[in-house]
Amino acid sequence: EDQVTQSPEALRLQEGESSSLNCSYTVSGLRGLFWYRQDPGKGPEFLFTLYSAGEEKEKERLKATLTKKESFLHITAPKPEDSATYLCAAGSARQLTFGSGTQLTVLP
Amino acid sequence: GAGVSQSPSNKVTEKGKDVELRCDPISGHTALYWYRQSLGQGLEFLIYFQGNSAPDKSGLPSDRFSAERTGGSVSTLTIQRTQQEDSAVYLCASSSDFGSPLHFGNGTRLTVT
Repeated sequence: EDQVTQSPEALRLQEGESSSLNCSYTVSGLRGLFWYRQDPGKGPEFLFTLYSAGEEKEKERLKATLTKKESFLHITAPKPEDSATYLCAAGSARQLTFGSGTQLTVLP
Repeated sequence: GAGVSQSPSNKVTEKGKDVELRCDPISGHTALYWYRQSLGQGLEFLIYFQGNSAPDKSGLPSDRFSAERTGGSVSTLTIQRTQQEDSAVYLCASSSDFGSPLHFGNGTRLTVT
């Protein structure tokens, strides 16, 4: 059975305090590792797709990396507007399995 | 164009009633997904449509749940004889093909009283 586990469940940072979110996955035949951002009352918004170990993607203050067992979402010098729930999902040949998310709060 | 559109945005229904939730995917997207998100939980896969292939219904939690996709576009998720445990946000997503990023609507928040 495909499994995706995210940690921590919640993270509070001061503005400018860099950190990383973790996503561990076990899927049969990984076809893609996806990161999404979800704001309250909204659907998840696509951020990145990673396909192979060693791959990295960047967007503004966010950088996603991938190994054979986990992915990290690094947040550099976060701002309050980065506050959201960050979801990762691993796609196999059958479906996309989501983690429970990390709720990030960035305090001014 | 427009993103994925879902209606209604909120639905309150009495236990035992049937409900229909609608999803308009992004034009040209062949893949369509339904997920359910309960408070504090991750997204739970329900059903997946890809083109004209038979849908993957493996995530539907009971036979009270069904979905159809007409003309390869609009999809309707139907829940019969609703129960309180059906209360959740139902999210629809579409993608250009399997393996491509999913684009989500803002969901329908279903409350069963």
